Amino acid sequence: QQQVKQSPQSLIVQKGGISIINCAYENTAFDYFPWYQQFPGKGPALLIAIRPDVSEKKEGRFTISFNKSAKQFSLHIMDSQPGDSATYFCAASKRVGNQFYFGTGTSLTVIP
Amino acid sequence: DTEVTQTPKHLVMGMTNKKSLKCEQHMGHRAMYWYKQKAKKPPELMFVYSYEKLSINESVPSRFSPECPNSSLLNLHLHALQPEDSALYLCASSQVLGRDSYEQYFGPGTRLTVT
Repeated sequence: QQQVKQSPQSLIVQKGGISIINCAYENTAFDYFPWYQQFPGKGPALLIAIRPDVSEKKEGRFTISFNKSAKQFSLHIMDSQPGDSATYFCAASKRVGNQFYFGTGTSLTVIP
Repeated sequence: DTEVTQTPKHLVMGMTNKKSLKCEQHMGHRAMYWYKQKAKKPPELMFVYSYEKLSINESVPSRFSPECPNSSLLNLHLHALQPEDSALYLCASSQVLGRDSYEQYFGPGTRLTVT
């Protein structure tokens, strides 16, 4: 059973555009929501994360929007660049249990 | 420093070989993880160590044997693997959940090929 659902599976964006990736969850015990960026042959790199007590968090061109009532969160990449082309995973974890639940991933391609 | 190191970077082994993967972190994290990742798929949890004790084993076949010698090191011993075990093996670490900092950091992975 997929605890975190992610869409779209793949995304193509023009350089300078906005990339938006969405995730949804059911378990209300989740209280930490990170996003990871992974380049081919490399390990996932923590990009940005949010707790449910805030609705938005911004770091540079990357923003997480969080809707607690809808149990959804999304990653927005502003001014997308070809170097952003990678696979992005959302994830969720609970305060106890030491376990992270990953979405299925989104392959982002930014075309020049 | 948020670095998790893994050795070797690449490993090719036959089905009768015994080999080990190694992982190290110096962030003071007391939770360490092994994941297996196939191409175009999310990381799949294998094992979690919390305070050097195995806390989660996701029904992984016994040909994979984890070991946590101390709070900075994590090993994965491999024996009699199958070709379908070929994958990227990722190590990660975090604070033990329940504390304030949840960030989980991954190593670069070991690309394992079983022939």
